[in-house]
Amino acid sequence: LAKTTQPISMDSYEGQEVNITCSHNNIATNDYITWYQQFPSQGPRFIIQGYKTKVTNEVASLFIPADRKSSTLSLPRVSLSDTAVYYCLVDSGGGADGLTFGKGTHLIIQP
Amino acid sequence: SAVISQKPSRDICQRGTSLTIQCQVDSQVTMMFWYRQQPGQSLTLIATANQGSEATYESGFVIDKFPISRPNLTFSTLTVSNMSPEDSSIYLCGMIKTVNEQFFGPGTRLTVL
Repeated sequence: LAKTTQPISMDSYEGQEVNITCSHNNIATNDYITWYQQFPSQGPRFIIQGYKTKVTNEVASLFIPADRKSSTLSLPRVSLSDTAVYYCLVDSGGGADGLTFGKGTHLIIQP
Repeated sequence: SAVISQKPSRDICQRGTSLTIQCQVDSQVTMMFWYRQQPGQSLTLIATANQGSEATYESGFVIDKFPISRPNLTFSTLTVSNMSPEDSSIYLCGMIKTVNEQFFGPGTRLTVL
């Protein structure tokens, strides 16, 4: 499984766009990139998944460059409730196997 | 979305005892997973539980310490045996409902004295 590297923590303010970048230099051809969000005292929650280029859903966008060695989770107009830990994962099962979580990024949104 | 419940939500146990954690999901699923999240840390996969077969354990986890049952497609249990304070952690179950998305239970917070 490819290892991921993310910033340990990030700060931002309400209404701002937040971009969290994840490095995965050893990503394999059949690996997908998935992001999860975890609030305190809750299990992680799936946010978005992609393989290449750009994926967008109702909560976030995921940008993946052509070499796929990194990816960026973009959260538009964050609010206080977006304060959470965000995990970037890569795996070939596309989520169909047990997941390997890295350390995650603790995002703190301030008023 | 999916509904996953765990029992108990938390417990405080004495050293040397065992605790069985239950995980109930709202639909039939083939694969269920058990994770451990130590305080302030990320999640670590303990084992994969398939209905009708023995669980598959990750490196560092053994069946004698973490026996798992999977009696049907909506239920699983994880037992933490012969507990020590080092077993104090949050234990979470997970399952796959679609091909690319795992859902997690709320976790069981275990404190071992």
